[in-house]
Amino acid sequence: DQQVKQNSPSLSVQEGRISILNCDYTNSMFDYFLWYKKYPAEGPTFLISISSIKDKNEDGRFTVFLNKSAKHLSLHIVPSQPGDSAVYFCASTTSGTYKYIFGTGTRLKVLA
Amino acid sequence: GAGVSQSPSNKVTEKGKDVELRCDPISGHTALYWYRQSLGQGLEFLIYFQGNSAPDKSGLPSDRFSAERTGGSVSTLTIQRTQQEDSAVYLCASSLGVGGGSTDTQYFGPGTRLTVL
Repeated sequence: DQQVKQNSPSLSVQEGRISILNCDYTNSMFDYFLWYKKYPAEGPTFLISISSIKDKNEDGRFTVFLNKSAKHLSLHIVPSQPGDSAVYFCASTTSGTYKYIFGTGTRLKVLA
Repeated sequence: GAGVSQSPSNKVTEKGKDVELRCDPISGHTALYWYRQSLGQGLEFLIYFQGNSAPDKSGLPSDRFSAERTGGSVSTLTIQRTQQEDSAVYLCASSLGVGGGSTDTQYFGPGTRLTVL
């Protein structure tokens, strides 16, 4: 039973346009959500997070939106840059615990 | 400061051999995690260490897998009698370990790519 799903394995976007990466979860106990970015041969690096008490968190070009009723979160990257090309993982957890549940990742390719 | 480091970066072994993978967490981080990423899959939780508490081994796929954390710092993941299905990238992460959730972001090492022939 996959509790965190990233249904798009890949996404291609033109440089300068918006990239939207999606993530769905099933466990209503999850109240904290993170996005990680992974380049080849490197470990995932933390990108941005959001608590369930918010519906939006913004950090520069990156914005995460949370729709609790739909159990859905999305990561928006605007404007997209070629250096953003990587695999993006969403992760969910419950505050006070340590176990992250990761999605399978979406490979983003930003075309110059 | 230094991030999480892992060694070796790549390991090729023959089926049936034992392997040891090492993780050096960020200094001061009391929590340490091992994950596995198989081809086309997400990150699969294996084991969690927090300070001197008993580790959470609930994610270990079989009794061929074990892990130790000595002195609350360096950790070794051991896979005995390796099988081809053990081939994956093994990732280590550490965190401050201050209670989980929003205050305890996990920081990952570069991983060890294990190939079992």
